[in-house]
Amino acid sequence: QAQLVQSGAEVKEPGASVKVSCTASGYTFTSYSITWVRQAPGQGLEWMGWISTNNGNTKYAQRLQGRVTMTTDTSTSTAYMELRSLRSDDTAVYYCARGAKRVDYWGQGTLVTVSS
Amino acid sequence: QSALTQPASVSGSPGQSITISCTGTSSDVGGYNYVSWYQQHPGKAPKLMIYDVSNRPSGISNRFSGSKSGNTASLTISGLQAEDEADYYCSSYTSSSTQVFGTGTKVTVL
Repeated sequence: QAQLVQSGAEVKEPGASVKVSCTASGYTFTSYSITWVRQAPGQGLEWMGWISTNNGNTKYAQRLQGRVTMTTDTSTSTAYMELRSLRSDDTAVYYCARGAKRVDYWGQGTLVTVSS
Repeated sequence: QSALTQPASVSGSPGQSITISCTGTSSDVGGYNYVSWYQQHPGKAPKLMIYDVSNRPSGISNRFSGSKSGNTASLTISGLQAEDEADYYCSSYTSSSTQVFGTGTKVTVL
């Protein structure tokens, strides 16, 4: 059974950066891309982008271009999402999920709070 | 990329059937058979219910079914049960090689 385990909650000040990790198990990490999705409090799901775990190619949501970077470490089956220049409206639960065109397994979510 | 359009809420009595629509464009829903549906209970991660328009993952009840016509996809829940009360989101692959989610639908079991 595939499983994705994310790092713990973070509190950041405006202007700071955050890096969330997502460690996969139960399947071959390089066989599936990793997608990142976020959900602001009381709001819907927002697609952030994905990364190919095979070759590192990425595709980011246009509104996050320049502030987000997705990477992987295949030696530890871990994906990372770094978001820079944090603003209050970046406060959300961040999810990683397996797949790209179709996403099946999801991590448990990481709450990132941006507050001064 | 604009979010796919879903009704804000849908309700039904136990045992009834309900249908949630998901309207996009020819650049997303209408152009690809990569439409998925997710169920999300409060405080939980989304759960895949339907993929590739009409396929159910292993372990998902056959009370859940999906379809598509033109630029609109639909999720039908038959034999509605109390445990089906949740938020539901559609998603689609797009011509820009991105994904787009629907606005979300709150399902209430009366």
